[in-house]
Amino acid sequence: NAGVTQTPKFQVLKTGQSMTLQCAQDMNHNSMYWYRQDPGMGLRLIYYSASEGTTDKGEVPNGYNVSRLNKREFSLRLESAAPSQTSVYFCASSEINEQYFGPGTRLTVT
Amino acid sequence: AQSVTQPDIHITVSEGASLELRCNYSYGATPYLFWYVQSPGQGLQLLLKYFSGDTLVQGIKGFEAEFKRSQSSFNLRKPSVHWSDAAEYFCAVSNTNAGKSTFGDGTTLTVKP
Repeated sequence: NAGVTQTPKFQVLKTGQSMTLQCAQDMNHNSMYWYRQDPGMGLRLIYYSASEGTTDKGEVPNGYNVSRLNKREFSLRLESAAPSQTSVYFCASSEINEQYFGPGTRLTVT
Repeated sequence: AQSVTQPDIHITVSEGASLELRCNYSYGATPYLFWYVQSPGQGLQLLLKYFSGDTLVQGIKGFEAEFKRSQSSFNLRKPSVHWSDAAEYFCAVSNTNAGKSTFGDGTTLTVKP
């Protein structure tokens, strides 16, 4: 089992560029999440998906969109990147509340 | 709304000393509580969790935590810290609806030789 995988590991964007962060899990979990982690601020929920075909906003959804492509995959899209979106992004999946995290994507927007 | 407070941003302990990391939560019903550890450049790993039953829960790597409803606390403890325990620790609370968790801001643990 690979668990939760994320691509890419690192990315540098210019302001205004777009990109999609990919996440996949092989644990057959129903729920998947996207968080961002900034220094001194813990993890903040961007979007989550309770099951295939459903998505909901979290605490900080502005500037992001998501797609739950199937049960395995949950992608996060930045349509027009801004320097405030420089962060480390974590994907997670869960079954009955226990969450499993991917290794993260370090994104820098210049 | 649920919330988590980790009062200590940074803690330094000597190797072999005992450790206690504090966590206070705010939640209307019986919470689901978690402690996660994050090593530099890594994702989060679950140390332990409390759902119900015995209020003292054992986790991996020799950690334990005690749920105290009267104090709204879920403090993490370890009797003897190892240098490899240096990391950032996150407390989290979850509801029963889709498993959304709210995380504290984290406590960074430094271990002195």
